[in-house]
Amino acid sequence: GNSVTQMEGPVTLSEEAFLTINCTYTATGYPSLFWYVQYPGEGLQLLLKATKADDKGSNKGFEATYRKETTSFHLEKGSVQVSDSAVYFCALSDDSSNTGKLIFGQGTTLQVKP
Amino acid sequence: EAGVAQSPRYKIIEKRQSVAFWCNPISGHATLYWYQQILGQGPKLLIQFQNNGVVDDSQLPKDRFSAERLKGVDSTLKIQPAKLEDSAVYLCASSFPGVLAVTGQYFGPGTRLTVT
Repeated sequence: GNSVTQMEGPVTLSEEAFLTINCTYTATGYPSLFWYVQYPGEGLQLLLKATKADDKGSNKGFEATYRKETTSFHLEKGSVQVSDSAVYFCALSDDSSNTGKLIFGQGTTLQVKP
Repeated sequence: EAGVAQSPRYKIIEKRQSVAFWCNPISGHATLYWYQQILGQGPKLLIQFQNNGVVDDSQLPKDRFSAERLKGVDSTLKIQPAKLEDSAVYLCASSFPGVLAVTGQYFGPGTRLTVT
């Protein structure tokens, strides 16, 4: 079945460091891909998305490119801030079922130190 | 615009007791989802409604879990009887149907359930 695998956390960085969080997926068909973020004490928020191969999603300085050949959707940011500390979830939509069902990875915790 | 509302935010019960969670989606969102998020894992879909009809409940443990959305708006998720392994955060999400790829799903803050 469809699945998402993320790199293990926690990821600890100093402020202004470069961030990469790896995400790979297994899917039949052509899913849409998402990154969600969960700040402490808050609900999940959509960070960015990509709906087809080679699409680049971007928001708040974060970027991710839908790579069909490597089945990946890695999250990157050039310079992280303390306020980026959160849990990041990669997810795919099971478009073949046309239900909007999301399948999530296990999440990666990011800690940014000043 | 008001977000997805959930209550209670926290609940502690003993095993074999029952518990209910409530969700009010964003106004106009016909699709409503309940997810279970166990500590250290990503959310897992339990049940999805389109208006007041069930679209997918394949991962809902139906011997103990039930959910309803009687008027196509609010929804209630119930566990009876609870087990220790039900300790998790229960997330409610909503979306407009058919535009997931554009807008994604909107999540509530969740209800953290602890079963002792």
